[in-house]
This record gives sequence, structure tokens and C-alpha cells, in this order.
Amino acid sequence: DTEVTQTPKHLVMGMTNKKSLKCEQHMGHRAMYWYKQKAKKPPELMFVYSYEKLSINESVPSRFSPECPNSSLLNLHLHALQPEDSALYLCASSQDGTGRETQYFGPGTRLLVL
Amino acid sequence: AQSVTQPDIHITVSEGASLELRCNYSYGATPYLFWYVQSPGQGLQLLLKYFSGDTLVQGIKGFEAEFKRSQSSFNLRKPSVHWSDAAEYFCAYNNNDMRFGAGTRLTVKP
Repeated sequence: DTEVTQTPKHLVMGMTNKKSLKCEQHMGHRAMYWYKQKAKKPPELMFVYSYEKLSINESVPSRFSPECPNSSLLNLHLHALQPEDSALYLCASSQDGTGRETQYFGPGTRLLVL
Repeated sequence: AQSVTQPDIHITVSEGASLELRCNYSYGATPYLFWYVQSPGQGLQLLLKYFSGDTLVQGIKGFEAEFKRSQSSFNLRKPSVHWSDAAEYFCAYNNNDMRFGAGTRLTVKP
């Protein structure tokens, strides 16, 4: 099973809202990732968690707040977003985040900020 | 700087025709190379990967790719394209962080 699940599939939020994106995998992977993908562009890395610890934060604005409650779950908390944050948010997982690994992606959450 | 280049932004092929999508990488050592496919509004699905060994790798959905060190290339091929292959294709390598090419959009004509 190489499945990564993400909820919700679609999300519309106002600039003053607080919402969360969720990601789950049951492959026993110890590294999980958040990517942001704008239309017609490749995914851009936002955060990496390895063994439940944040190992990479690609200078993402603080209105995005990741959380890794356990090795299977990854959340992305959203607060006071801007319209330019509208994008497809992809979660991925890999064996242990040591690099040179295969990453498996979820279907994404399509976010629209009004 | 390490990078992945997909020279073709958009390719159109007829159904049943052969396909080759180009990918070049810039990296000193042998990288871990991947091809992913993304249908509109969907996540990325792994087609195939190359780590070492046989330079011709087989993937899902009838795709294959060949690693050529001398040309720093990892081109994706399929002998006969189906309408359902229309999608965005990303080449990527992973050397401690995943780097994606800009993507090639494939259109399939009936």
C-alpha cells in the first residue's frame, strides 16, 4: 500500500478564517512533507518532518503552521491567509527523510482564499 | 547549481503514436531520478525511478525511461500513447531534497 490520504479535497476560506489541512499515511514512513503547487508549476517544498521533528522550513510565512502529532499524521494549520495562497497543497511521505528516497504523494487539497 | 530541466513545455501526440519526454539533470554524482505524472487537479503519481543498475527502467502504465550518464538525461518513453495519458509529467531528482523540473504537458489527439 503506497497511499497517502489528504482531507479535505477542496477548501474555501476567507482571509480571517482558521482552517487545517490533514494528511495521513500508513506505510510506516518516518518523513512527511508539505508542498505548495500553483497552476502550471511544479510543487514547491514548504516543510519537512523527519521522525516527528521539523527538519526543513523553507522560509514559509508564519500564517502556515505545520504540526506532526505522530508518525502517521501531518497537519497544516492555516490562519489569516492571503488570496495568493490559493493553490493545491500536496502532502508526501518517504522512508525517513535522509534523502535519495522515493516520495509518495497524496491527492492534494485545493485551497481557495477569498 | 543542481537542477532538472524539461525542455518541452507542451507536447501533442496522436493516440497510438510513440512518445518521448525529455529530462536533463545537472548534478555531479548519479542522482536518484524519478518521473511523476499528474492529472488535472490531482496529486503526483510515481511512474518510475532510477537509483542504480540497469539504465533502462520499466514503470507503470507501459512507460519506460533510460538513464544516460554521458548525456545527463533521463528521458521517458512510451511506444503507443493512449488518450488517458494526457496529463502533466514531472521529472525529478532527490539528493537530500527533491527537485522538480518545470513539467511537460502532454496532449493526446484522437
